[in-house]
Amino acid sequence: NAGVTQTPKFRVLKTGQSMTLLCAQDMNHEYMYWYRQDPGMGLRLIHYSVGEGTTAKGEVPDGYNVSRLKKQNFLLGLESAAPSQTSVYFCASSYRQLHTEAFFGQGTRLTVV
Amino acid sequence: AQSVTQPDIHITVSEGASLELRCNYSYGATPYLFWYVQSPGQGLQLLLKYFSGDTLVQGIKGFEAEFKRSQSSFNLRKPSVHWSDAAEYFCAVGALIGGSYIPTFGRGTSLIVHP
Repeated sequence: NAGVTQTPKFRVLKTGQSMTLLCAQDMNHEYMYWYRQDPGMGLRLIHYSVGEGTTAKGEVPDGYNVSRLKKQNFLLGLESAAPSQTSVYFCASSYRQLHTEAFFGQGTRLTVV
Repeated sequence: AQSVTQPDIHITVSEGASLELRCNYSYGATPYLFWYVQSPGQGLQLLLKYFSGDTLVQGIKGFEAEFKRSQSSFNLRKPSVHWSDAAEYFCAVGALIGGSYIPTFGRGTSLIVHP
């Protein structure tokens, strides 16, 4: 049982380059989330999805786009990377019931130089 | 807006000592509260959660937390800390965003365990 899988685990980008982070979950969860983790800032919500074909902005959405074409996948895109996007990115998923917890991937460490 | 505050950035304890990590929340109704742990280089793992019923909840790895509505707190405790408990701990609340309950995290508390 893989749970939540993020690809890639590490990446170095040059300023202005683009990339896509892939998140896949095999638990049939309705909700999926992308967070970024920065020292002293905790986890901040970038975008989230409450179902296939739907996405919404979180706390820090600027510079990112997302898509959820399939229920099990949630993609995070950076169209033109900036050094401020250097961070560790976590994907998570959960059932839609109010009291259920989120399950997290292992994270993607992205460095933009 | 719903929010979570973890007032301690770092906590240092000796192995075998007791531990309490603080969490305060801001929420109008009964909150859905969680504690997660993050070991170095890993994702987050759920320790315990509260959504109703008994205000003292038990979790994995010997952790417990007490929900106190009057103090808007959900502090995490462990009676005897092990060196393997050194990690980052996050408190979270299920915040109502756009009609859905989305996990909203505090800034985390880093636990350092001395031998």
